[in-house]
Amino acid sequence: GQQVQQSPASLVLQEGENAELQCNFSTSLNSMQWFYQRPGGSLVSLFYNPSGTKHSGRLTSTTVIKERRSSLHISSSQTTDSGTYLCALDGDTGNYKYVFGAGTRLKVIA
Amino acid sequence: EAAVTQSPRNKVTVTGGNVTLSCRQTNSHNYMYWYRQDTGHGLRLIHYSYGAGNLQIGDVPDGYKATRTTQEDFFLLLELASPSQTSLYFCASSDVGQANTEVFFGKGTRLTVV
Repeated sequence: GQQVQQSPASLVLQEGENAELQCNFSTSLNSMQWFYQRPGGSLVSLFYNPSGTKHSGRLTSTTVIKERRSSLHISSSQTTDSGTYLCALDGDTGNYKYVFGAGTRLKVIA
Repeated sequence: EAAVTQSPRNKVTVTGGNVTLSCRQTNSHNYMYWYRQDTGHGLRLIHYSYGAGNLQIGDVPDGYKATRTTQEDFFLLLELASPSQTSLYFCASSDVGQANTEVFFGKGTRLTVV
């Protein structure tokens, strides 16, 4: 089955530092999304990015299909960035099942 | 923005009880999904559907039934709830077959089985 590995599992930053979150997958890719999960549990879609690079404010997502990886870069981190970041992918299997990684728990301290 | 509405948002039930979680999406997406999330884990797929009357088995289906009554409505049924089913449940929808197959999630239902 599809395997999605996220790293690191957890990360602590000083405010202002940058972070690079990784998502590696073992199958070919149909689509890829990054989510932010608030401490209360709700999910916020950050990027729908099946290939290439996308930017949104301080966030950048890069998906390289041939290398079977996607990354989320957070620049100039803020305390409000604290939470869990999840990647999810739909492998090119025809099942259209989104499989999630276990997440990266980020804590940004002032 | 696609709207996915889950109800109830919180539910407490007793072991052996019956629970139905409801999900409605208003953007005519064809695919709908039910996931559960437990502490320290990402979301795991329980059941999904590609249209009214259709049901596909996900990765953790044991103890759950689901029914897609209309294009908009997808229900998750726990007929004999157990404490191991205490979890945060998410419903999602997607317009598979289009160029953009972005998945949209509801706000979640927190279920506690005591």
